Amino acid sequence: NAGVMQNPRHLVRRRGQEARLRCSPMKGHSHVYWYRQLPEEGLKFMVYLQKENIIDESGMPKERFSAEFPKEGPSILRIQQVVRGDSAAYFCASSPGVGTGTYEQYFGPGTRLTVT
Amino acid sequence: SQQGEEDPQALSIQEGENATMNCSYKTSINNLQWYRQNSGRGLVHLILIRSNEREKHSGRLRVTLDTSKKSSSLLITASRAADTASYFCATANAGKSTFGDGTTLTVKP
Repeated sequence: NAGVMQNPRHLVRRRGQEARLRCSPMKGHSHVYWYRQLPEEGLKFMVYLQKENIIDESGMPKERFSAEFPKEGPSILRIQQVVRGDSAAYFCASSPGVGTGTYEQYFGPGTRLTVT
Repeated sequence: SQQGEEDPQALSIQEGENATMNCSYKTSINNLQWYRQNSGRGLVHLILIRSNEREKHSGRLRVTLDTSKKSSSLLITASRAADTASYFCATANAGKSTFGDGTTLTVKP
């Protein structure tokens, strides 16, 4: 059973370009979470999604950031018109669902975004 | 201060010694999890303790949870140089996890 997969592992974008980060949850997991980690800091929650639904996006910046988790395919975190401050590691996690009661989340290896 | 704060921020010990890290949080939780992160790498899940549990063990790890004080501790016994990493606690409520800024542990050989 493969773990959470993220790609690309490293992404370099120039200011103003778009960044697309992909996350494939563990098999059987229907809940996906995105977190951002700035250097020397902990992870900060961004968004929580189920298939075709955004459950909680309280951590998402109001502009330029969007996330989706379609019925088929990976979850996508999209950053439009990137700026240097978007440089960070973006981690995706998945869980089997809140019905299990544990909310245990399994993390992917992260995508390190560098904006030049 | 934020939910899930670790203390101390940095800890340096000799190989073979025990390392204790603490975590405090503010709101009610479903569970609390500890993670390890090696420099520049992803997170490794270490242990999950549910809100109705007080203590849990996994190998050289011992985690305690005191919901009345809203605090948890992670004890690593007989530390090894390979334990050098950042350690984060994360509290889970309504699905999402809230992380502290971590404790950086250095174990000197």
